[in-house]
Amino acid sequence: DAMVIQNPRYQVTQFGKPVTLSCSQTLNHNVMYWYQQKSSQAPKLLFHYYDKDFNNEADTPDNFQSRRPNTSFCFLDIRSPGLGDAAMYLCATSREIRSYEQYFGPGTRLTVT
Amino acid sequence: QQQVKQSPQSLIVQKGGISIINCAYENTAFDYFPWYQQFPGKGPALLIAIRPDVSEKKEGRFTISFNKSAKQFSLHIMDSQPGDSATYFCAASRLDDYKLSFGAGTTVTVRA
Repeated sequence: DAMVIQNPRYQVTQFGKPVTLSCSQTLNHNVMYWYQQKSSQAPKLLFHYYDKDFNNEADTPDNFQSRRPNTSFCFLDIRSPGLGDAAMYLCATSREIRSYEQYFGPGTRLTVT
Repeated sequence: QQQVKQSPQSLIVQKGGISIINCAYENTAFDYFPWYQQFPGKGPALLIAIRPDVSEKKEGRFTISFNKSAKQFSLHIMDSQPGDSATYFCAASRLDDYKLSFGAGTTVTVRA
């Protein structure tokens, strides 16, 4: 089945220790998104890639970076995680930038100790 | 500034009952209104969506009602089942913008 896969599902990191979360997709979609979702809140868009073009949301902290080495994979790097970065991180895809539907992965739960 | 307002924050319904979640929006440029279902520890899954050219869309036990003049839309879950217990997010977007504007979410609990 075509899908969005996130690894790992659970990640524990120490305060200030860099961490990388990964997303892959078999949908062959051009757009990949990263969202941050804190407990009992709606997902918040951090950035997206349209093909190789990176687009940062204005309020995304500099501590968050992303890489998309190819169509299938996208990585979220948190350079110096703080306690406030503990959240569920969701990857999503859409066929085109002007596609309505976004398909979400299962998420990675990040804990910062 | 939240572009989509969702209510209630939570609701409890008995098995077999009807769950109703309401959303309101301000931006008349929105032209796509999806609902996402999210189980604890999982990502949101697209449940059902509607465009503003129709007033109602039904898929199984899930129905979206859309009122363009009032800028409101709602999700009705008929014959609610314990397996429907989840958080539901309404959202809105427009074709020329990649962003989904999410509502704050409604946690639905269906009691057996």
